[in-house]
Amino acid sequence: QKEVEQDPGPLSVPEGAIVSLNCTYSNSAFQYFMWYRQYSRKGPELLMYTYSSGNKEDGRFTAQVDKSSKYISLFIRDSQPSDSVTYLCAMSGPGTYKYIFGTGTRLKVLA
Amino acid sequence: ETGVTQTPRHLVMGMTNKKSLKCEQHLGHNAMYWYKQSAKKPLELMFVYSLEERVENNSVPSRFSPECPNSSHLFLHLHTLQPEDSALYLCASSQEEGALETQYFGPGTRLLVL
Repeated sequence: QKEVEQDPGPLSVPEGAIVSLNCTYSNSAFQYFMWYRQYSRKGPELLMYTYSSGNKEDGRFTAQVDKSSKYISLFIRDSQPSDSVTYLCAMSGPGTYKYIFGTGTRLKVLA
Repeated sequence: ETGVTQTPRHLVMGMTNKKSLKCEQHLGHNAMYWYKQSAKKPLELMFVYSLEERVENNSVPSRFSPECPNSSHLFLHLHTLQPEDSALYLCASSQEEGALETQYFGPGTRLLVL
């Protein structure tokens, strides 16, 4: 079993839809959860960062962590065609600098 | 220049060539990382440097040789690579080494080994 599972997509939605991107993980020690977005031919850029369980909101983006289910989500409200990139989840635990990444989900928002 | 820069952006090399990838961070960070990103695979951590000392060598073949002459620069020296080494090589940096430290990525070098 992979440490982090992420559906590669592509996920296609109409403009204005609410998008839900998800990752599951197996290591209960993970406490730090990140979402990166990666444009084609570019490096990942940090979108949101959460610690432990709960929600964090930033504009149209909401990151949610459910540690009991080992499940994290990124919600995008009022999705735009400019949101059409690959989203990577990453996570880590205490006492380590290692990030474990998901494979990334490619999102397509159709105008 | 701001953030993390990488050169070259694209590289094609034969299996007998020797080449080097360069990374420079302009963020005043103390930790730097090399990752490999292959199609449909998660990012793989290759090397970690903290204050110019290597703290991680994640079972990477010896044909990849990192060098960190100072906290702003990181190199990846390549020799006798294999076609399966073709990938996007990403450099990242963080203020310190640690899970709470956000890693900032460069644009990557897309490597093709023929």
